[in-house]
Amino acid sequence: GAVVSQHPSWVICKSGTSVKIECRSLDFQATTMFWYRQFPKQSLMLMATSNEGSKATYEQGVEKDKFLINHASLTLSTLTVTSAHPEDSSFYICSAEGGAGETQYFGPGTRLLVL
Amino acid sequence: KQEVTQIPAALSVPEGENLVLNCSFTDSAIYNLQWFRQDPGKGLTSLLLIQSSQREQTSGRLNASLDKSSGRSTLYIAASQPGDSATYLCAVTGNYGQNFVFGPGTRLSVLP
Repeated sequence: GAVVSQHPSWVICKSGTSVKIECRSLDFQATTMFWYRQFPKQSLMLMATSNEGSKATYEQGVEKDKFLINHASLTLSTLTVTSAHPEDSSFYICSAEGGAGETQYFGPGTRLLVL
Repeated sequence: KQEVTQIPAALSVPEGENLVLNCSFTDSAIYNLQWFRQDPGKGLTSLLLIQSSQREQTSGRLNASLDKSSGRSTLYIAASQPGDSATYLCAVTGNYGQNFVFGPGTRLSVLP
């Protein structure tokens, strides 16, 4: 089946720094990628929807200036957590689909710890 | 707005038991429903995907059913094993090409 990778798999950073997370579709072109966040002992919540070549659509309550999403190519989307704070510590996971209605494939996730 | 709930929140059973996990969703206009497994600190493993036109899917000891009109799905696990211990997530997509809406999950512990 299709593979989606994320890099890094985990990251520890100091408060105030920015962290970039990459989501790549390895063997298919992803027109749409989704970014989710999972806090401890909670389920996954959608943060934003990213379409190649256009601005991301953010869910209510997600600060677009804090969580910068770039989907510049059909195989790569990036999420940058700017000026990270301890409350941003979470598990970030992306999914990708080749076209509307096609199967979505999830990446393995990135665990972020902000000290 | 679609909401997904799962019952029970947690379940502990002895090895060998058959068990049923329940998932409900408020908007029946779904495109598909998927069951995932998540081990602690790990990502998602897709178990079964049911399209809205289907009523059930089977894979090994797993069987998932979908009653779209009533907004329900069940995941049946036969002859449970300690290796089945994990959190099971139910998720639905809305119309064509939308994101998943996840339930809160059921934490399963299968005791040897």
